[in-house]
Amino acid sequence: RKEVEQDPGPFNVPEGATVAFNCTYSNSASQSFFWYRQDCRKEPKLLMSVYSSGNEDGRFTAQLNRASQYISLLIRDSKLSDSATYLCVVNIDNQGGKLIFGQGTELSVKP
Amino acid sequence: DVKVTQSSRYLVKRTGEKVFLECVQDMDHENMFWYRQDPGLGLRLIYFSYDVKMKEKGDIPEGYSVSREKKERFSLILESASTNQTSMYLCASSLAYRGYGYTFGSGTRLTVV
Repeated sequence: RKEVEQDPGPFNVPEGATVAFNCTYSNSASQSFFWYRQDCRKEPKLLMSVYSSGNEDGRFTAQLNRASQYISLLIRDSKLSDSATYLCVVNIDNQGGKLIFGQGTELSVKP
Repeated sequence: DVKVTQSSRYLVKRTGEKVFLECVQDMDHENMFWYRQDPGLGLRLIYFSYDVKMKEKGDIPEGYSVSREKKERFSLILESASTNQTSMYLCASSLAYRGYGYTFGSGTRLTVV
């Protein structure tokens, strides 16, 4: 079983739609959680960290459910510029920095 | 602006060549990482380092080695390049605390012919 699993998509949505991505992780000792965004032929960039209390950044909302080992990302009012691959990322390393990446969910926002 | 710089954006090498991929960060980060990214396989960790002179194997270290002689520089070495090492190579760095995410370099697309 993969340590971090995501639906690969692609998700094709119209502008203005609300879209939700889900992710599950297998290691209950996971310490910290992130969503990264990767544009075509570019490097991944940190979109937001994910906290147990849930957190919001403009149109983006991230949620963490430790009991279910489940992470979500909600994008409201989708823009064309949101088209990218969204990577669910988990830190399971007690020493500090090593991150485990999901394979990513591809989003395509159409006019 | 903080940066992770990879020495080459595109590289073409011949089978059997020794290949050096260089990565430099200017953020005084303790941790540095090398990943490769392939379609359908996602990001896979090759090697990482939590300190100068220190290195740890990741999930796919075979055919690779690394060097970290200075805090800011982490080099990936392909001892004898093979065609199955054709890939996008991404370097990343982070602070020494698990609450922090990575900053990635812009990647090196390596083709081995």
